[in-house]
Amino acid sequence: KAGVTQTPRYLIKTRGQQVTLSCSPISGHRSVSWYQQTPGQGLQFLFEYFSETQRNKGNFPGRFSGRQFSNSRSEMNVSTLELGDSALYLCASSLDPQAPLQNEQYFGPGTRLTVT
Amino acid sequence: AQSVTQLGSHVSVSEGALVLLRCNYSSSVPPYLFWYVQYPNQGLQLLLKYTTGATLVKGINGFEAEFKKSETSFHLTKPSAHMSDAAEYFCAVIPLGGSSNTGKLIFGQGTTLQVKP
Repeated sequence: KAGVTQTPRYLIKTRGQQVTLSCSPISGHRSVSWYQQTPGQGLQFLFEYFSETQRNKGNFPGRFSGRQFSNSRSEMNVSTLELGDSALYLCASSLDPQAPLQNEQYFGPGTRLTVT
Repeated sequence: AQSVTQLGSHVSVSEGALVLLRCNYSSSVPPYLFWYVQYPNQGLQLLLKYTTGATLVKGINGFEAEFKKSETSFHLTKPSAHMSDAAEYFCAVIPLGGSSNTGKLIFGQGTTLQVKP
């Protein structure tokens, strides 16, 4: 079974621009979670989608948004980029986050975003 | 709020020595617990998880972890370190209770494991 894929792997953007990152979960997984990883703040939860609905959201400004499509693929968007948005953005998929035997999350390789 | 503490941001061991990476969580109700490993320029790979049942959990690559409720700990061990174990290790929890926690892993700050020849 193919793992979680993320595109693009690397991005360089300028302050003020917007960016869209894509995540394709493992086949059959309906939940996609997004995380931001930085040296200073570590791994922080952005949001989680399940069956095209955002069920949970972390403590990030409204510039960070996402969506999920009917095939479970997910995108996240960051508008009006700031230097501090430079990070590794990871997505993870799982079968069912609320089921103890199915809640492990499998991560993609990440998208490295650099804002200049 | 739930939190995870990993004691020691850097751990150095010799090849063949015991690996011990410490993790403590704060929760009155034991959460679901995970250990992940991250190699440079890669995503996170699941090593093992604890939900319920047996408190000693075996994972991939010879790693295991023991859940100790009385100590609120979930330390990761490996009897004999290999050079390929050098990476960053993250302990994580999924808090129990409420839809507001769904799909949300709370991570520790990570421990970088160095393996010396």
